Amino acid sequence: GDSVTQMEGPVTLSEEAFLTINCTYTATGYPSLFWYVQYPGEGLQLLLKATKADDKGSNKGFEATYRKETTSFHLEKGSVQVSDSAVYFCALIIQGAQKLVFGQGTRLTINP
Amino acid sequence: DAGVTQSPTHLIKTRGQQVTLRCSPKSGHDTVSWYQQALGQGPQFIFQYYEEEERQRGNFPDRFSGHQFPNYSSELNVNALLLGDSALYLCASSLWGGEIHYEQYFGPGTRLTVT
Repeated sequence: GDSVTQMEGPVTLSEEAFLTINCTYTATGYPSLFWYVQYPGEGLQLLLKATKADDKGSNKGFEATYRKETTSFHLEKGSVQVSDSAVYFCALIIQGAQKLVFGQGTRLTINP
Repeated sequence: DAGVTQSPTHLIKTRGQQVTLRCSPKSGHDTVSWYQQALGQGPQFIFQYYEEEERQRGNFPDRFSGHQFPNYSSELNVNALLLGDSALYLCASSLWGGEIHYEQYFGPGTRLTVT
């Protein structure tokens, strides 16, 4: 079946450090890929997305590239801020389906 | 423009009881999806409603049922509650796209605790 695997957390970094959160997927069809962020007490928010191979999604300094050959969609940011502390979820949706399939989430804490 | 709203925020129930959770979609949206997020896990898809019909269902037992009203709001019902039903229940709304996926906007969730 379709699944998403994220790197184990929690991840703790200092402000201005480089961030990578790994995400790989298994899909029966041709998926679109997403990163969602969940701040404390808030709902999931779409951070970025990519709908086809080699597409790069970007938002708020975060980037992720859809790599079909490695079935990956790693999240990166060059310089993290304390305000980036949250839980990050990688997700996919198969073309023609309507359900999002999520990874288990990675809790990120940024220390000043 | 109000986003997705859910009620109640928190709920405590006893094993065997029944619970109803409510969701109002973002203005202009006609499709509602429900997800269960256990502690420390990613959300899992329960089902989706469009035009007052269940359109797609995840791997959840029949104890989980839903309804969509003509104003597009939705309810999630869970019967015969188990301890394992304790979770954050998320509602997401979107436009219906059929074969096309439109962005799902999530509400803040209802935290259900079963004792």
